Amino acid sequence: SSELTQPPSMSVSPGQTARITCSGDLLSRQYAFWYQQKVGQAPKLVIFVDTERPPDIPERFSGSTSGTTVTLTISGVQPEDEADYYCHSGDAGGTLWVFGGGTKLTVL
Amino acid sequence: EVQFVESGGALVNIGGSLTLSCEGSGLTFMNASMSWVRQAPGKGLEWVGRITKKIEGGRTDYATPVKGRFTISRDDAKNRLFLHMTDLKAGDTAMYYCTQGMHWGQGTLVTVSS
Repeated sequence: SSELTQPPSMSVSPGQTARITCSGDLLSRQYAFWYQQKVGQAPKLVIFVDTERPPDIPERFSGSTSGTTVTLTISGVQPEDEADYYCHSGDAGGTLWVFGGGTKLTVL
Repeated sequence: EVQFVESGGALVNIGGSLTLSCEGSGLTFMNASMSWVRQAPGKGLEWVGRITKKIEGGRTDYATPVKGRFTISRDDAKNRLFLHMTDLKAGDTAMYYCTQGMHWGQGTLVTVSS
């Protein structure tokens, strides 16, 4: 299967930990990437190759992987982390891009 | 700083054609495989297609919904990426982004209407 499945939404209070999962068979063979998209803005890369964080992304963002599931963890969620989060990977051949359906994170 | 700026979005009729452009700066453009990703209003991200570096053959791949209708090309001398769209359908209405994965442009809006 070339699909990636994410929960449509989740909500957390400031200071809590948010864990957003992404599941799909291709994740056992291909790297995952995570993007943050705030309202009215372009997507922004927050995690690449499963666990790496770009230099401008706060340390509270981390990625992990286990089998066919990858997880984006935001430790000590801040109000500015409210956004849609998308996972992304390649197909079995690594040629085509596949996106998860996105998770809307609400910070209460 | 790496930047991408898309342009060319417009209101077009069903069945019409349109070409989008993306200009890159702050990177060695010829060394980047580039993709187009779109987002319909209120919906998620959808990969449209990509073109590899010239040194890798400049190969193109497309998502099933656009195969045969959309063509991606590049002009490395001008640091530009193009998306030529034909036989446009209402379902092609979206914000179109260019990206090499790490960096994204702000997008250009395509509206297809009768």
